[in-house]
Amino acid sequence: AQSVTQLGSHVSVSEGALVLLRCNYSSSVPPYLFWYVQYPNQGLQLLLKYTSAATLVKGINDFEAEFKKSETSFHLTKPSAHMSDAAEYFCAASPDLLQKLVFGTGTRLLVSP
Amino acid sequence: EAGVTQFPSHSVIEKGQTVTLRCDPISGHDNLYWYRRVMGKEIKFLLHFVKESKQDESGMPNNRFLAERTGGTYSTLKVQPAELEDSGVYFCASSLSGGQYSSTDTQYFGPGTRLTVL
Repeated sequence: AQSVTQLGSHVSVSEGALVLLRCNYSSSVPPYLFWYVQYPNQGLQLLLKYTSAATLVKGINDFEAEFKKSETSFHLTKPSAHMSDAAEYFCAASPDLLQKLVFGTGTRLLVSP
Repeated sequence: EAGVTQFPSHSVIEKGQTVTLRCDPISGHDNLYWYRRVMGKEIKFLLHFVKESKQDESGMPNNRFLAERTGGTYSTLKVQPAELEDSGVYFCASSLSGGQYSSTDTQYFGPGTRLTVL
């Protein structure tokens, strides 16, 4: 069965610092991969998705993620954190775009001034 | 264009009572999904509708949960009778096509319903 692992339930960075949120997937076939963000009192918003078109995926708000098959990873990065990036981030996988998403446990990003 | 909406935003009930959650997908979206996040754990899939038909209900925890999508528009998720372990946030999501899909299909999520069973 497919699984998604997010290392670190909480990640703290300073404003302006690099953001790195880790995600590894377990699958015999590279799945579709997603990063969602949940801001306080809001629903999940798609940041970016990997659909095999390109290994480096750019998303909204300067986030990007790189699919590495050899490492079964899809880590999320942003060069410079803003206070407004403080939220919970979820990595998810699916065998195709119409099937259920399998989520990681989420990583809460804390940004300090 | 309106996003996915869910009602109520919060519900507090006692063990043994019944609760019905509602989800209105984005207009024209054939696919509708229900997910649940129990405190501190991952978001887990419950079921998937394509129009009014249940495509995959493998995530439904037991027969106390009943989901419907009459007419292929909004969906309801009823929990009867509710147990303590049903507490959590219930998310609904929708996506566009029910047939051949494109790489642009994405699941759009609602804000969730926070259910507390006392």
